[in-house]
Amino acid sequence: SQTIHQWPATLVQPVGSPLSLECTVEGTSNPNLYWYRQAAGRGLQLLFYSVGIGQISSEVPQNLSASRPQDRQFILSSKKLLLSDSGFYLCAADKSSYNEQFFGPGTRLTVL
Amino acid sequence: AQRVTQPEKLLSVFKGAPVELKCNYSYSGSPELFWYVQYSRQRLQLLLRHISRESIKGFTADLNKGETSFHLKKPFAQEEDSAMYYCALSKETSGSRLTFGEGTQLTVNP
Repeated sequence: SQTIHQWPATLVQPVGSPLSLECTVEGTSNPNLYWYRQAAGRGLQLLFYSVGIGQISSEVPQNLSASRPQDRQFILSSKKLLLSDSGFYLCAADKSSYNEQFFGPGTRLTVL
Repeated sequence: AQRVTQPEKLLSVFKGAPVELKCNYSYSGSPELFWYVQYSRQRLQLLLRHISRESIKGFTADLNKGETSFHLKKPFAQEEDSAMYYCALSKETSGSRLTFGEGTQLTVNP
């Protein structure tokens, strides 16, 4: 099965600073990759997904961007963080034919 | 656009009591429905999916297309069932992109 790694586990950043969250996948090749934000009472919001290297689709307009420089690497970035970017970010992966998503441990981001 | 609604943010039951976590969806096509669960200090993981028609950890869920519901049920709740539960939908035309509900925090009291 697939294993999803995320780092860092927690991050505290000042408003206006840049952001880079990394996600890597083991145990599969050419997965679909996803970035979610999990907020209390608001469930899981899909931010970005990728079906291949360099292919990124954004689900909602926001202050964030994503990149996929390698098959099993997915990066979430921002040039200037906002207070509203605080939250819990989850990376997930799957193979289209199985339709089960595997999730990483998440990154807790606090913007002060 | 598709939407998944879980009307209860919090649900508390006693051990041995039946439990039902509600999920309603809106989608005009033929969706695939899932329940994901997140136990304390563990990763979010798949619990069950409607096409498998299986019972996992005593939980079952039946897709009711007439009522557009996919409620999760267990006849006798256990303390280890305490967790956050998410209902999710996948459109048949978009592969495995999931739309999640807001989640229900289930607490099973001793």
